[in-house]
Amino acid sequence: DVKVTQSSRYLVKRTGEKVFLECVQDMDHENMFWYRQDPGLGLRLIYFSYDVKMKEKGDIPEGYSVSREKKERFSLILESASTNQTSMYLCASSLRSGRPYEQYFGPGTRLTVT
Amino acid sequence: QKEVEQNSGPLSVPEGAIASLNCTYSDRGSQSFFWYRQYSGKSPELIMSIYSNGDKEDGRFTAQLNKASQYVSLLIRDSQPSDSATYLCAVMGFYNQGGKLIFGQGTELSVKP
Repeated sequence: DVKVTQSSRYLVKRTGEKVFLECVQDMDHENMFWYRQDPGLGLRLIYFSYDVKMKEKGDIPEGYSVSREKKERFSLILESASTNQTSMYLCASSLRSGRPYEQYFGPGTRLTVT
Repeated sequence: QKEVEQNSGPLSVPEGAIASLNCTYSDRGSQSFFWYRQYSGKSPELIMSIYSNGDKEDGRFTAQLNKASQYVSLLIRDSQPSDSATYLCAVMGFYNQGGKLIFGQGTELSVKP
């Protein structure tokens, strides 16, 4: 079974703090993704990566950065957290070939910025 | 026009009935299609993937794809209260940069006992 884990289920941070969200997958997937999900807005892609050290902006990259130093790990960084970044953050991964492009999600991190 | 459209619902069906969830997409070159189930407060879970025109069955679930009409649907037979969730349709476009999927907004399904 594919397993995607995220570092925290719930996180509370203060405005202006630097926040790190980590995601690890154990299935040797090439592609990894960070989404945020808000009521009424659906899933929105923040950043994705198709290889180590490669990153691509998604639909809403402003205020975020990412790091992928190892194939299994993809980190999302909020450089200076703001209240409008309060959200559910979801990490996902997928293969580049084989069972093409099925994305598997981690359990999510509910981030509250106060 | 949104790239992937779903009726937001809620769709309410009685227990034991067939629930029909629909999704249309705008990119005619799309090749891969997925249905996810998401319970409240949980992350999306992949339930079906379909790549060719026609029907694909897995237990009580049937995915139907019609590329000419740019339409994909999910049928849930013998619906159970445990099927109550939001169902997300996802599509991979022709230019599938890095495995990126386009998600619909989701349809909320409520199965009444």
